Amino acid sequence: NAGVTQTPKFRVLKTGQSMTLQCAQDMNHEYMSWYRQDPGMGLRLIHYSVGAGITDQGEVPNGYNVSRSTTEDFPLRLLSAAPSQTSVYFCASRMNFNYGYTFGSGTRLTVV
Amino acid sequence: AQSVTQLGSHVSVSEGALVLLRCNYSSSVPPYLFWYVQYPNQGLQLLLKYTSAATLVKGINGFEAEFKKSETSFHLTKPSAHMSDAAEYFCAVSDLAGNQFYFGTGTSLTVIP
Repeated sequence: NAGVTQTPKFRVLKTGQSMTLQCAQDMNHEYMSWYRQDPGMGLRLIHYSVGAGITDQGEVPNGYNVSRSTTEDFPLRLLSAAPSQTSVYFCASRMNFNYGYTFGSGTRLTVV
Repeated sequence: AQSVTQLGSHVSVSEGALVLLRCNYSSSVPPYLFWYVQYPNQGLQLLLKYTSAATLVKGINGFEAEFKKSETSFHLTKPSAHMSDAAEYFCAVSDLAGNQFYFGTGTSLTVIP
């Protein structure tokens, strides 16, 4: 099993550009989430999904969109990148609420 | 909303000494609680979890945590620190519905030879 796969691993964007961070899991997990990690702030929840077709906002959703058309995939879209979105982004999935999350290896995004 | 507070953003211990990393949660109903470890430039790895079964939970790499409802705490301990334990540790909480999962701000553990 590959687990949770995130692409790309690194990206540099110019302010105003858009991009999609890809996330795929092969564990048939219902729950998936996107977090951003910034120094001194831990991980903050951006968006989450409890199943295909169901998404909801977390703590810091502004500037990001998600969709969940299949169980496996949960892409995160940056609509118009801003320097404040420079961060490390983690995608994670879990079976249900009894389980912890399995994390991808992260995407390091720099917006200049 | 659920939240967790990790006391001490940086903890240093000598090799072989006790490791104690503190986590307190805010909830009137005992939630599900988790500890994760993050090594440099890597994703997070689950150490252990509490889901209302035994209050003393054993995890990987010799770590354990005790759920104390009266203190709303879930502190992480290891009897004897090893150099390989140097990492960032995160406490996390999930509400019983499981819809949202929140992390603390993390504690960086340094192990001194």
